[in-house]
Amino acid sequence: AQSVTQPDIHITVSEGASLELRCNYSYGATPYLFWYVQSPGQGLQLLLKYFSGDTLVQGIKGFEAEFKRSQSSFNLRKPSVHWSDAAEYFCAVGARSGNTPLVFGKGTRLSVIA
Amino acid sequence: EAGVAQSPRYKIIEKRQSVAFWCNPISGHATLYWYQQILGQGPKLLIQFQNNGVVDDSQLPKDRFSAERLKGVDSTLKIQPAKLEDSAVYLCASSLIAGAISETQYFGPGTRLLVL
Repeated sequence: AQSVTQPDIHITVSEGASLELRCNYSYGATPYLFWYVQSPGQGLQLLLKYFSGDTLVQGIKGFEAEFKRSQSSFNLRKPSVHWSDAAEYFCAVGARSGNTPLVFGKGTRLSVIA
Repeated sequence: EAGVAQSPRYKIIEKRQSVAFWCNPISGHATLYWYQQILGQGPKLLIQFQNNGVVDDSQLPKDRFSAERLKGVDSTLKIQPAKLEDSAVYLCASSLIAGAISETQYFGPGTRLLVL
């Protein structure tokens, strides 16, 4: 079964600084990979997803993520963080075969300071 | 388009009481999911419906949790009796195409349950 690890529980960055959130997965083949964002009191919103092809994926709100098969990673990046980006970020992995559900990481909470 | 609607938004009950949550997915979405999100954790799938049939309920504690999706649209999730460890946010999500994990899931705002 697939699994996902988000090593950082909480990250604080200054507004305007760059951001990288880490995600490592475990799966026997190339999985489907997702990043979701959850603002306080809100449901999850999809930022981007990777299925195949170009390993650099562009998403909404200026986010991008890069799939690195050799490192089993799918890190999320943003060149310049805005205060409104403060939220909880979840990486999720899905299997390409079988009927197994998405598996979410435990999340990384992002705080943005002035 | 309207998003996934859930009610109530908050619920406080005592252990051993029963509680029910309601979800109205995006119109036309075939697949509906219920997730449990415990504080400090990512969402965990409880049950997945495809139209009004159950696709996956392997992680649903069936001795106390039940769910139904009437006419392939709205869904209710019930807990009876509730335990302290059921305190969590219950998220409903829907996706357009049936049976495709690659499909984007659209989440509702969730119901925050506190069991005392």
